[in-house]
Amino acid sequence: AQSVTQLDSQVPVFEEAPVELRCNYSSSVSVYLFWYVQYPNQGLQLLLKYLSGSTLVKGINGFEAEFNKSQTSFHLRKPSVHISDTAEYFCAVTSGAGNQFYFGTGTSLTVIP
Amino acid sequence: DAGVIQSPRHEVTEMGQEVTLRCKPISGHDYLFWYRQTMMRGLELLIYFNNNVPIDDSGMPEDRFSAKMPNASFSTLKIQPSEPRDSAVYFCASSGTSGRNEQFFGPGTRLTVL
Repeated sequence: AQSVTQLDSQVPVFEEAPVELRCNYSSSVSVYLFWYVQYPNQGLQLLLKYLSGSTLVKGINGFEAEFNKSQTSFHLRKPSVHISDTAEYFCAVTSGAGNQFYFGTGTSLTVIP
Repeated sequence: DAGVIQSPRHEVTEMGQEVTLRCKPISGHDYLFWYRQTMMRGLELLIYFNNNVPIDDSGMPEDRFSAKMPNASFSTLKIQPSEPRDSAVYFCASSGTSGRNEQFFGPGTRLTVL
C-alpha cells in the first residue's frame, strides 16, 4: 500500500520570499510522484511530476521539486513566491499498478503582500 | 482538447432528491476517476474505471451512491436519495494507459443538499 503525508496544512509566506512545501510518501515499490495545485473554485492542475531520471524536477510557474529516495520525500520549492501562488497544493503518488493515485491532505499556501 | 468536462457546475437540491453528476473524459483516456472533496475529509477517491469497467469502488460511501460508465466518453455518479452530508465538490479525472500518466481533472460539481 502507498500513502502520502503532507506535514504542513497551512503555510503563510511573504511575497518574494522562498517557500518549501513538504511531502513524504510511503511505498514498498517504485513510485511516480506528482504535485498538483488547486486555485479557489477550480479543479486540480498538474505542477510537475517525477517519473525517472534526474531527481530535480522543474514545473510550471517557477516551481521545482526534488525526489529523495532515501528520505522518501518529494518536497516542492519556489525561490520567490507571488501573490498569485496562493492556492492549495497536493502531493500524490502512484506505483502505476491499476493507475490509482494516492493524494495527500493538501497544504494551503497563503502569500502575504 | 476541451479537457475533462463536468456538468452541472453547481447543483442545489433538497434532501431526498436524486442527483446525477456527469463527466466526459478526455478522448483516448481509458481511466476515469470520481473524487469527492470536503473541508473535513479532503480529497477522497470514490471509484475508478478502466476501459469502462469499475475497478475499485471501495471509496463509495454508501449504497445511495452509484456510478456507471456506459461508454468511453461518458460517466455518471448518482446519489439517491441525497442527504445534507453529501454536500461537497465532486471531481472527475481521467488519465491514459500508463500509471505514469498524470490525471487530468475536471472543474468539479459543487453539490449542496439542503
